[in-house]
Formats: sequence, structure tokens, C-alpha cells
Amino acid sequence: DIQMTQSPSSLSASVGDRVTITCRASQSISSYLNWYQQKPGKAPNLLIYAASSLQSGVPSRFSGSGSGTEFTLTITSLQPEDFATYYCQQSYSTSFTFGPGTNVDIK
Amino acid sequence: QVQLQQSGPGLVKPSQTLSLTCAISGDSVSSGSVVWNWIRQSPSRGLEWLGRTYYRSKWYSDYAVSVKSRITINADTSKNHFSLQLNSVTPEDTAVYYCASSVVSTSGANWFDPWGQGTLVTVSS
Repeated sequence: DIQMTQSPSSLSASVGDRVTITCRASQSISSYLNWYQQKPGKAPNLLIYAASSLQSGVPSRFSGSGSGTEFTLTITSLQPEDFATYYCQQSYSTSFTFGPGTNVDIK
Repeated sequence: QVQLQQSGPGLVKPSQTLSLTCAISGDSVSSGSVVWNWIRQSPSRGLEWLGRTYYRSKWYSDYAVSVKSRITINADTSKNHFSLQLNSVTPEDTAVYYCASSVVSTSGANWFDPWGQGTLVTVSS
């Protein structure tokens, strides 16, 4: 299976901050990388698909970039509703795998 | 707009079979462009894709290696739902189970959206 790692595992930030989360794959996955946001007690919610495409209805402060083995999720001007856990997921291999998550909390 | 509604027991005894159902509204389980997935989440294993089923002139299923010997995912077209069966469960199978749909793009990329509401299944005697 393709292993996914994320850094940092957690971060503290303030409203208005710019936040960047990194996801790395154990082998090249081209642009087959998705990002999800999960709030406590809820299912994950798709933010970004195919590395950089913004899902319909997701605010434009979220953006994704990267290809191959390194990807980033950027949140410009963090909002109160953005405090959550973020996961990356690869779809290059049918045995889909997720990163361990990055928890974004309030500083 | 596809919506998924999960149902099934929240407590299963060790060695027994875990069974969950995901009811679909807004699309057909036999859709030729959608894939139906089961995913689980636990503190020890994180988010783990378990398997999928889909219809492309006939039914196909794919399973994660970690559960391949114990899992069945199938669809019921009369009820427009798909289901998960996981046999011989142990406490390690305790997790929140989610159903999710995915669409495969022309480039081959696919992503999970939407998801069901989740079902906490505890394996305990």
C-alpha cells in the first residue's frame, strides 16, 4: 500500500492566519490526491480533489497544490469554522489510503 | 444531490458478523458512473478504506487486503442500497463505519463525496 504522511500532526493558529499543511506519499501518485476536513462527530467533508481542484461550495480560501510525492493544503485567512482535522487521501492505487490527519486548533 | 443514510446495529459480539446498510437517495445504486464504498475510522488505524462495489454492465467488488478474507460488499437494486458484511469480528474491528460514494473522473482520479453519517460499531461481549 502507498503510505501517506502529514506534517505537522497538529498546529495552533489564530483567526486570520495563513495555514499550510503538507502531505507526502511513499511513491509518486501524480495528482491523485484529495483533501478532507473533519469536525468532531461528523463525517469527513471533501475540500480539494485531484490535488488542486476546489470542490463545489468550498470557500476559495482553501487551495491545494503539488504533484508526485509532495502536496500542500493552504488556508488563507483562517476562519473560526476552519478549526478541524484535515486528511489527505491518495487515489493513485485502488487500495486507497489516508494520511494520519492534521489537527488545527485555536491558539 | 446524492444522500447516504446508514443503518445497522452499534454492538456486535466477537466472532459474529457486522452488518451495515447504506440507503441511497438522489441516484441509483446501479448507476454506471458511481462507485459505492465503505470506510472505517478508529483511533488506532485512522481512516481505512475497506472496499467498494459498482455496476459497469455487471457488478464488481474490490476489497482492502487487510479485510479481504472477511468482507462482502453488495448492492440491492430493489431497495436502492448497498451493504457491508464483515465476518469473524474482533475488538480490533471497533470503529466508526462510513459509507461514501465516489465518481471516477476521465483521468482516473476519484474522491469520496458524499459520506454517510457514520455508525459507531463496538465489538464486545
